[in-house]
Amino acid sequence: KAGVTQTPRYLIKTRGQQVTLSCSPISGHRSVSWYQQTPGQGLQFLFEYFSETQRNKGNFPGRFSGRQFSNSRSEMNVSTLELGDSALYLCASSLIGEGYEQYFGPGTRLTVT
Amino acid sequence: AQRVTQPEKLLSVFKGAPVELKCNYSYSGSPELFWYVQYSRQRLQLLLRHISRESIKGFTADLNKGETSFHLKKPFAQEEDSAMYYCALKGKLGGGADGLTFGKGTHLIIQP
Repeated sequence: KAGVTQTPRYLIKTRGQQVTLSCSPISGHRSVSWYQQTPGQGLQFLFEYFSETQRNKGNFPGRFSGRQFSNSRSEMNVSTLELGDSALYLCASSLIGEGYEQYFGPGTRLTVT
Repeated sequence: AQRVTQPEKLLSVFKGAPVELKCNYSYSGSPELFWYVQYSRQRLQLLLRHISRESIKGFTADLNKGETSFHLKKPFAQEEDSAMYYCALKGKLGGGADGLTFGKGTHLIIQP
């Protein structure tokens, strides 16, 4: 099976712009979660989607949003980018009922200048 | 709010020596705990979870509810164990959402 893929892998944006990141889960996985990883805060949960519905959301401002499509692919959007949004954004998919084992993608490295 | 603490940022041991990576948590309910590992230039991947009580690559972890700990252990370290190790807890986050809370990670270096 192909693993979780994320596009783009690297991105440079300017403060105030918005960005959209994409994640394709493992075939058959309907749950997709997003995480932000920074040196200071480590890995932080952003949100989880299941069957096109947001099931859970972490403690992030409303500038961070996401969606999931009928084929389980997911996108996350960050509007009005701030310097502090520079991070590695990880996507993970899981098969519900598998003890919450999450399969991670390689991440998208976002740099905000 | 739930919290996962990995007190050691870096742990260096010699090949063949025992390894113990510490993880302490705070959570008011019944936690589900995991260890994830990230080898150099590879993706983050699940190593083991407490509910399965299995040994993976020689690693074991026991949930100690009294000490709120989930330490990862291996009796004899191998060079290929060098990696970043993250302890994670699944439970209610602030605001009531379910999600994984990760510790900051421990960089394990096995010296030859």
